[in-house]
Amino acid sequence: GQNIDQPTEMTATEGAIVQINCTYQTSGFNGLFWYQQHAGEAPTFLSYNVLDGLEEKGRFSSFLSRSKGYSYLLLKELQMKDSASYLCAVRDSNYQLIWGAGTKLIIKP
Amino acid sequence: NAGVTQTPKFRILKIGQSMTLQCTQDMNHNYMYWYRQDPGMGLKLIYYSVGAGITDKGEVPNGYNVSRSTTEDFPLRLELAAPSQTSVYFCASSYSEESYEQYFGPGTRLTVT
Repeated sequence: GQNIDQPTEMTATEGAIVQINCTYQTSGFNGLFWYQQHAGEAPTFLSYNVLDGLEEKGRFSSFLSRSKGYSYLLLKELQMKDSASYLCAVRDSNYQLIWGAGTKLIIKP
Repeated sequence: NAGVTQTPKFRILKIGQSMTLQCTQDMNHNYMYWYRQDPGMGLKLIYYSVGAGITDKGEVPNGYNVSRSTTEDFPLRLELAAPSQTSVYFCASSYSEESYEQYFGPGTRLTVT
């Protein structure tokens, strides 16, 4: 079967750095996505990885290792507005997105 | 551009009732999707469409129907509502299946009692 695992909840301090991990087992791989979802709102796109390595976009970076079926999202200089759920999704061989359950990130002052 | 719009925002249905969730996008995207999101679970694909007149089942299509008569609109029909269909429903669109990003509507929160 297809499976994506990520921690249910994480807590971090404002101004700090946090790493959210995602491991996956899917039938085929055509890219890995990270989305941000604030409570009661729609998911919004953060990052995309299809090749191994690190993609940096401002305070957010995403890493991929295809051989390990592993990705992480790194958030630096945390702000209170970063309190949200972070969803990991993999595009499978049918070009459909398989979604993890999301990691709820709580930022404390 | 309004992006992806959905109506209604909230709805309470009785068991056995029917309703249509509306979804419209103004980005001229070919691909449109319907997802449901249950608490503590990942988004599940219900149906998707690759263009006007073409639809296909996703992971959880039972109890739902869709149509795509225009590029802009992709309504989702619930024929005989059941408590198991209580969920938040998101419509999304993308230009192609290789697109980096899917654009999501604000969601419809549906309760079936």
